[in-house]
Amino acid sequence: DAKTTQPPSMDCAEGRAANLPCNHSTISGNEYVYWYRQIHSQGPQYIIHGLKNNETNEMASLIITEDRKSSTLILPHATLRDTAVYYCIVRVANTGNQFYFGTGTSLTVIP
Amino acid sequence: DVKVTQSSRYLVKRTGEKVFLECVQDMDHENMFWYRQDPGLGLRLIYFSYDVKMKEKGDIPEGYSVSREKKERFSLILESASTNQTSMYLCTSTRGNPRNEQFFGPGTRLTVL
Repeated sequence: DAKTTQPPSMDCAEGRAANLPCNHSTISGNEYVYWYRQIHSQGPQYIIHGLKNNETNEMASLIITEDRKSSTLILPHATLRDTAVYYCIVRVANTGNQFYFGTGTSLTVIP
Repeated sequence: DVKVTQSSRYLVKRTGEKVFLECVQDMDHENMFWYRQDPGLGLRLIYFSYDVKMKEKGDIPEGYSVSREKKERFSLILESASTNQTSMYLCTSTRGNPRNEQFFGPGTRLTVL
């Protein structure tokens, strides 16, 4: 099962772009990269996912390298409410479709 | 509105008690999962189910069992609760397609004394 590696913590100034990296060097060709975040005392919340191409939605952008061994989640204009733990996840492609969560990156947005 | 509910937000039990954690989803999802979350360890998969009466072990199934008698309900059972099972328990469900967005319940914080 492909696993992910993320830095344990990051800071970002309010209003600036937050760039959260993730390494997934053992990802296989049919595995998707997902990003979730968890605000304190709540369940994780879906942000975005992608397979090969870069993706953008109302919350964030996802940049996946050409070799798919790493990706970056971009929050274009970070706000204090974006302070959370961000999880980069690779979806295992089998019947169970289970997600394996690591320890994530704790992002603190500083005023 | 999409919803995954868990029977309790907070639960306190004694060592040796049998504990049931219930999870219900109203989205007709095939797949359901139980995770526990502990500081510094992230979310770890306990068990999952991809169909009624089907179950698969995750990373840390020891000390737990599950039951899925109906599609909408996935129960996590602690046969004999121990203090090291004090944790936040999160239930999720997904539809069986490549998008696989997971919907999380609010979590149950279980304390075993």
